[in-house]
Amino acid sequence: DSGVTQTPKHLITATGQRVTLRCSPRSGDLSVYWYQQSLDQGLQFLIQYYNGEERAKGNILERFSAQQFPDLHSELNLSSLELGDSALYFCASSVTPTYNEQFFGPGTRLTVL
Amino acid sequence: AQTVTQSQPEMSVQEAETVTLSCTYDTSENNYYLFWYKQPPSRQMILVIRQEAYKQQNATENRFSVNFQKAAKSFSLKISDSQLGDTAMYFCAFMERNSNSNSGYALNFGKGTSLLVTP
Repeated sequence: DSGVTQTPKHLITATGQRVTLRCSPRSGDLSVYWYQQSLDQGLQFLIQYYNGEERAKGNILERFSAQQFPDLHSELNLSSLELGDSALYFCASSVTPTYNEQFFGPGTRLTVL
Repeated sequence: AQTVTQSQPEMSVQEAETVTLSCTYDTSENNYYLFWYKQPPSRQMILVIRQEAYKQQNATENRFSVNFQKAAKSFSLKISDSQLGDTAMYFCAFMERNSNSNSGYALNFGKGTSLLVTP
């Protein structure tokens, strides 16, 4: 158990819908990262937050957004869902936003029908 | 963005034997970190080992060790005394400064090597 929690574990929804994925980092970690793992794209970095502020952006679609709250938990919002958004979404956390080990949560499996 | 290449999509090894997984990367940076992550069938991403580029000594964690060749940009993982529980997907990852930020970092992953340990 990495100490990073993600909810829900599984999510099944329809095209065009909007969902919210939630992540709580390890105790003491201030930085949160979101990654997407799909069969065709592999593991891709989406976005990073540090102490409530966005620090880095990867291949995140405009339909996706995220934020980190004062209690350091983070939410990833996915809207206007398409079939291709079906993937495993990981949250990871680290103590600092720079060179540091990232510890991954168990992931949220999103299925868009 | 830096690229990470794992040239072995699948590998198989017998229990108690040793196996080496390959990884090469491309970067113009001098200071960086490299990682190996393990993803078993449960899909959890588990950190196996990390290597700081400025350290000449290869990292070791119990049965896991790396062969880091900085000039060749090579970072292979050796698993000794393989166990059935080592069956998993193994990802090599490079920590890079994000091109869309001057203070953020992200992991750039290879496509992975699927390792099967057989009795």
